[in-house]
Amino acid sequence: DAKTTQPPSMDCAEGRAANLPCNHSTISGNEYVYWYRQIHSQGPQYIIHGLKNNETNEMASLIITEDRKSSTLILPHATLRDTAVYYCIVRKIAYSGAGSYQLTFGKGTKLSVIP
Amino acid sequence: DTAVSQTPKYLVTQMGNDKSIKCEQNLGHDTMYWYKQDSKKFLKIMFSYNNKELIINETVPNRFSPKSPDKAHLNLHINSLELGDSAVYFCASSQDWQGTEAFFGQGTRLTVV
Repeated sequence: DAKTTQPPSMDCAEGRAANLPCNHSTISGNEYVYWYRQIHSQGPQYIIHGLKNNETNEMASLIITEDRKSSTLILPHATLRDTAVYYCIVRKIAYSGAGSYQLTFGKGTKLSVIP
Repeated sequence: DTAVSQTPKYLVTQMGNDKSIKCEQNLGHDTMYWYKQDSKKFLKIMFSYNNKELIINETVPNRFSPKSPDKAHLNLHINSLELGDSAVYFCASSQDWQGTEAFFGQGTRLTVV
């Protein structure tokens, strides 16, 4: 799987938008961009994923650049409960075989939402 | 109801012992996983089962043996525990091996003394 690069930490003021960048310059055409987060002492939680179009759900928005070499996860109105480590992951799509369809977590970005 | 539940939540044991961690999912998913998160917080996949069949087996010592009695359960048995096995172990499940979203349990913190 393509490697990802994320800043180790970021701060965001409560109520403001949190923009978390991810670089995946070696991503290939059969790989999606996934975002998960891990709140302290809990299991990872799925946030959103996308291939090349921007995506939005009730939790966040995902903006993928046209060349797909980078993306940004946007939490529109960060709350204290959004303090967590956010993981950007690239993952092959199904026809690459079951064995390659796994999540490979990197170091992530530790987001601290400040009151 | 908890979607993916693991027991126990904490496990403290001596070196050389054998222990098991149980995992159950009530989501009707076909695929289940075990992940290990070490002291540096790296989260790595260990095993994946799809419909009770092993589909992913990363480089894990053979002291670790997963067992899937049915597709709702994936237990992890560890023989001859070593200090380096101390970590948080997460169970997860997804609809199938192509599953978009993986649901994780709350983790089992294993401490080997």
